[in-house]
Amino acid sequence: DAGVIQSPRHEVTEMGQEVTLRCKPISGHDYLFWYRQTMMRGLELLIYFNNNVPIDDSGMPEDRFSAKMPNASFSTLKIQPSEPRDSAVYFCASSASGGETQYFGPGTRLLVL
Amino acid sequence: QKEVEQNSGPLSVPEGAIASLNCTYSDRGSQSFFWYRQYSGKSPELIMFIYSNGDKEDGRFTAQLNKASQYVSLLIRDSQPSDSATYLCAVRPGGSYIPTFGRGTSLIVHP
Repeated sequence: DAGVIQSPRHEVTEMGQEVTLRCKPISGHDYLFWYRQTMMRGLELLIYFNNNVPIDDSGMPEDRFSAKMPNASFSTLKIQPSEPRDSAVYFCASSASGGETQYFGPGTRLLVL
Repeated sequence: QKEVEQNSGPLSVPEGAIASLNCTYSDRGSQSFFWYRQYSGKSPELIMFIYSNGDKEDGRFTAQLNKASQYVSLLIRDSQPSDSATYLCAVRPGGSYIPTFGRGTSLIVHP
């Protein structure tokens, strides 16, 4: 059974460019989470969805960040324009309703130059 | 702001020893407590969860919860070099489905 899939695994871009991160949750999971991890701030929840609906986006750092979940099997996190301080590892995780285990994807390592 | 605090470490223990990792939390209404392990360059994976006061054992791992003192700990018996990783504590507040993660404790098990 495939786990959470994220793409790309690595992204290097220049400041000001648009970055789109993609996530496919585990089939049947109805919660999807986007996290950002840095050495300075640890693992931060950016936004989460339930049944494709954004529930809490209070962790999204600013308007440059946006996330969508057009269907149960796909979500995107977009940064436009990107800045060097956005450099981090971005994780997507999913979980099943009633279950408290979050399954994390492999992460996208983003470097903004 | 619901806080989850962990000593960043590194905690260094010899192979075969008991490693003790601690976590404190601020929300007294917290209901569920989790320990995730994260190897360098990898994603977090759940290794244990605990809901009730006391101890919960799973193989070499024991989670301990003390709600009165608002701390949760993870003991790793017979530590192995393969246990070297960062251990993240996560706490789910009452009334919320979403856990708050601590920043993790780095564990090094040396041969």
